[in-house]
Amino acid sequence: DVKVTQSSRYLVKRTGEKVFLECVQDMDHENMFWYRQDPGLGLRLIYFSYDVKMKEKGDIPEGYSVSREKKERFSLILESASTNQTSMYLCASMFRQGNEQFFGPGTRLTVL
Amino acid sequence: GENVEQHPSTLSVQEGDSAVIKCTYSDSASNYFPWYKQELGKRPQLIIDIRSNVGEKKDQRIAVTLNKTAKHFSLHITETQPEDSAVYFCAAFYFGNEKLTFGTGTRLTIIP
Repeated sequence: DVKVTQSSRYLVKRTGEKVFLECVQDMDHENMFWYRQDPGLGLRLIYFSYDVKMKEKGDIPEGYSVSREKKERFSLILESASTNQTSMYLCASMFRQGNEQFFGPGTRLTVL
Repeated sequence: GENVEQHPSTLSVQEGDSAVIKCTYSDSASNYFPWYKQELGKRPQLIIDIRSNVGEKKDQRIAVTLNKTAKHFSLHITETQPEDSAVYFCAAFYFGNEKLTFGTGTRLTIIP
């Protein structure tokens, strides 16, 4: 079974803090993704990566950056957290394009 | 870019009845259409998918139909059961775009 894990289930941060969300997958998948999930808005893609050190902007990259130094690990960084970044963050991985995405359990981030 | 619309946003059906969720997409180049189910507090999981060279696909009580001309696809659940209660997301993908675009989700409630 593919396992995708995220560093925290719940996180509370203050406005202006730098926040790191980490995702690890154990199936040697090429592609990894970060989404945020908000009620009524579905899953919106923030960034994705199709190889180590490669990254591509998704639909809502503003205020976020990512890092992929190792194939199994994809980090989402909020340089200066703001209250409108309070959300559920989901990481996913995928072996090849056009195949199943496997999701992590999610991190519920609250920015006060 | 691709835009996926999903309807209805909420759906309640009596146990044993059928449920239908519909999605439309904008980019005629899209060629892969997965459906994900997210139970309360859980991660999204793939339940069925269809590729553009197929008009219909079934897996036990779940079926997906695709109309490429009209650019819409639908999820059909027959003989609904309480465990079908969840949020369902449709998505569209084409290889040139490298990313999945999700609909906004449908909250399905099965009434015992």
